[in-house]
Amino acid sequence: ILNVEQSPQSLHVQEGDSTNFTCSFPSSNFYALHWYRWETAKSPEALFVMTLNGDEKKKGRISATLNTKEGYSYLYIKGSQPEDSATYLCAFNYNAGNMLTFGGGTRLMVKP
Amino acid sequence: DGGITQSPKYLFRKEGQNVTLSCEQNLNHDAMYWYRQDPGQGLRLIYYSQIVNDFQKGDIAEGYSVSREKKESFPLTVTSAQKNPTAFYLCASRLSGTEAFFGQGTRLTVV
Repeated sequence: ILNVEQSPQSLHVQEGDSTNFTCSFPSSNFYALHWYRWETAKSPEALFVMTLNGDEKKKGRISATLNTKEGYSYLYIKGSQPEDSATYLCAFNYNAGNMLTFGGGTRLMVKP
Repeated sequence: DGGITQSPKYLFRKEGQNVTLSCEQNLNHDAMYWYRQDPGQGLRLIYYSQIVNDFQKGDIAEGYSVSREKKESFPLTVTSAQKNPTAFYLCASRLSGTEAFFGQGTRLTVV
C-alpha cells in the first residue's frame, strides 16, 4: 500500500486569509502528482497534474509546488473566499502505470 | 455531452446480497477506477483497469469484483463477502498521464 499523507486534516480560516496545506508521498518511482478540489454534492475536479521536480502551477488564486526528491507538494490559496470551501485531495501516480492513490484530503472551511 | 455516469445514485442492499454498481463513460478513456469513501476519510482504491479485459486490485479489493468487457463500462459488484459495504462509491476515468474525471457517486447502504 502506497502511503500518501495530507495535512492538516481540516482547516478553518477567515475570508481573506491565505492558507496552505501539504501532501507527502513516496519519493521513489514518482510519475505524477495530482491535486483535486471536491465541493459538497459535486464530483472531484482536477486542479493540477504535476510531473517535474520544482514544478510550480497556478490557477487564479490557487498555486501548487512540487518536490519529488523529498516527496512533498504544497497547495496554496491566496485570499481565501467562502467558495474555496471544499476538500482538497492529492493523488500519487506511481511509475508510468495508471494506479492513482489518494491521500486522506484536507477539508477547508472559509468563514465570511 | 461527454462524461461519466454512475447509477444508481442511492442503493440499498440486504445482508447477504450481491449488488452491482454501474459506471459508464463516453470520454474514450482507457483507464477506469473504483474508489470507496467512508465518513471522514479519503478515497481508497478498490480496483482499476488500464485496458479492456484487464484489471488490477487496489488496496481494498476483498469482497469486490469487476469486469471490463467494453472500453466504456466498468461495473463493480459488491459481494456478500464484503463485510462492511455501507459507503460512498466513486468511479473515475482518464487518459494515461492526464487528470481523472469522476462520476457523481453511488451511496450504498446495507439494511
